[in-house]
Amino acid sequence: QKEVEQNSGPLSVPEGAIASLNCTYSDRGSQSFFWYRQYSGKSPELIMFIYSNGDKEDGRFTAQLNKASQYVSLLIRDSQPSDSATYLCAVKAGAGSYQLTFGKGTKLSVIP
Amino acid sequence: EAQVTQNPRYLITVTGKKLTVTCSQNMNHEYMSWYRQDPGLGLRQIYYSMNVEVTDKGDVPEGYKVSRKEKRNFPLILESPSPNQTSLYFCASSGNASGRAPETQYFGPGTRLLVL
Repeated sequence: QKEVEQNSGPLSVPEGAIASLNCTYSDRGSQSFFWYRQYSGKSPELIMFIYSNGDKEDGRFTAQLNKASQYVSLLIRDSQPSDSATYLCAVKAGAGSYQLTFGKGTKLSVIP
Repeated sequence: EAQVTQNPRYLITVTGKKLTVTCSQNMNHEYMSWYRQDPGLGLRQIYYSMNVEVTDKGDVPEGYKVSRKEKRNFPLILESPSPNQTSLYFCASSGNASGRAPETQYFGPGTRLLVL
């Protein structure tokens, strides 16, 4: 059974700080990793995806992947109250499938 | 505009009354999937489809049916709804996308279902 684990939170950070969200996965063969943001009652929307070990930056967001440790993280710099949402980590296994396994999400609250 | 649409967005029904939630995508995606989301349980996959006439069970398929007769549509059928199927349902699609990763799943707006 493939598993994706996230701290449920809530994670509270002050406005302007860095928010760090973490995710571990059980399937060592996993190849693609995604971070989705979900506002309450809304559908998940993709923030970033990452394939290779290391960092990938997109604006205020940085995804970090360490396949040896089976760990992926999302850093949000200069956190804004509008970043308050639940962040879902999703992992795709090997080639030939589009199936994603989702973590249960971490709720982030950015305090003004 | 590229999108996944679901209908209805909200539905209140009674136990045992068959219902269908429609899902349609205009991105020519091969892969489509249905999830339910419940507090504390996260997104759980119900059924998925790799292409027309190809469907398979996800993690929680009991009480649900699907069909994929056309590439763009993937309806979710509840033959005899029960109160434990009260949930928020999402349809998603992916594949055959240029630019972004083809595995990126795009979600519909959700259908909130209450079974009394």
